[in-house]
Amino acid sequence: EVLLQQSGPELVKPGASVKIPCKASGYTFTDYNMDWVKQSHGKSLEWIGDINPNDGGTIYNQKFKGKATLTVDKSSSTAYMELRSLTSEDTAVYYCARNELDFYYFDYWGQGSTLTVSS
Amino acid sequence: DIQMTQSPASLSASVGETVTITCRASENIYSYLTWFQQKQGKSPQLLVYNAKTLAEGVPSRFSGSGSGTQFSLKINSLQPEDFGTYYCQHHYGTPRTFGGGTKLEIK
Repeated sequence: EVLLQQSGPELVKPGASVKIPCKASGYTFTDYNMDWVKQSHGKSLEWIGDINPNDGGTIYNQKFKGKATLTVDKSSSTAYMELRSLTSEDTAVYYCARNELDFYYFDYWGQGSTLTVSS
Repeated sequence: DIQMTQSPASLSASVGETVTITCRASENIYSYLTWFQQKQGKSPQLLVYNAKTLAEGVPSRFSGSGSGTQFSLKINSLQPEDFGTYYCQHHYGTPRTFGGGTKLEIK
C-alpha cells in the first residue's frame, strides 16, 4: 500500500523557518517524483514544486522560489520541504503528492501538514 | 502560466441526479487534465487523469471528457458520499495549476 506520511501541526513564529517531512512507503521511492502543494484555509490548491529523488533535481513554481526548498533523503525514503522567512501568508496546509512520471499526474497524496505562523 | 477556470463554483443536487462540472484551460493542454475530489479536512483524491481515464477504485458513475481547452466531469446517479469539493488541474508542463474548485452539496 502506497503511503505518504506527513508530520503533525506546527506553530512557528514569523521570520522563522520550518522543514516539513513526507515519508514514503509501499513503493520504490526513486521511481516517482514528489510534488508539494499549498492550500490556504478555505481556498484552492497551489503547486509549489517538484523533486526527482534520483538526482535531487527540482522545478519550482516561480511564486515559491526563495520561499520553499525541496530535498530528499533516499536512505529513509523521505522528501522534505523547507519554508523560510515565514509570514502569516504561509499559514496553510501543505501536502506532498506522488507524481506519476509517464503523464505527471498526482496519484497519491499525504494527509497534509498544517502550518500556523503566529507570534 | 496556464489558468484553469472551473464552473460552477458551487452546486446543490439531490441523490440520484446527474451533475456536470466544467473546467476551461487558458490554452491548449491536450488531454493533460486531472480531476480530484476533496472532502473537508482530508487530502485530495485522484478521480480522473488524462482527461478521461478513471483512477483505480473510482466508481463508474464518474466520467471525464474533453480535450484542448474544454473539459468536464460528470457524475451520474449522485450518491450521498459524493459531496465535497472537486478540483481540476492540468499536468501539461509547469506550473501545474489548479482550478478554483466546485463545492458540491447534496440536497
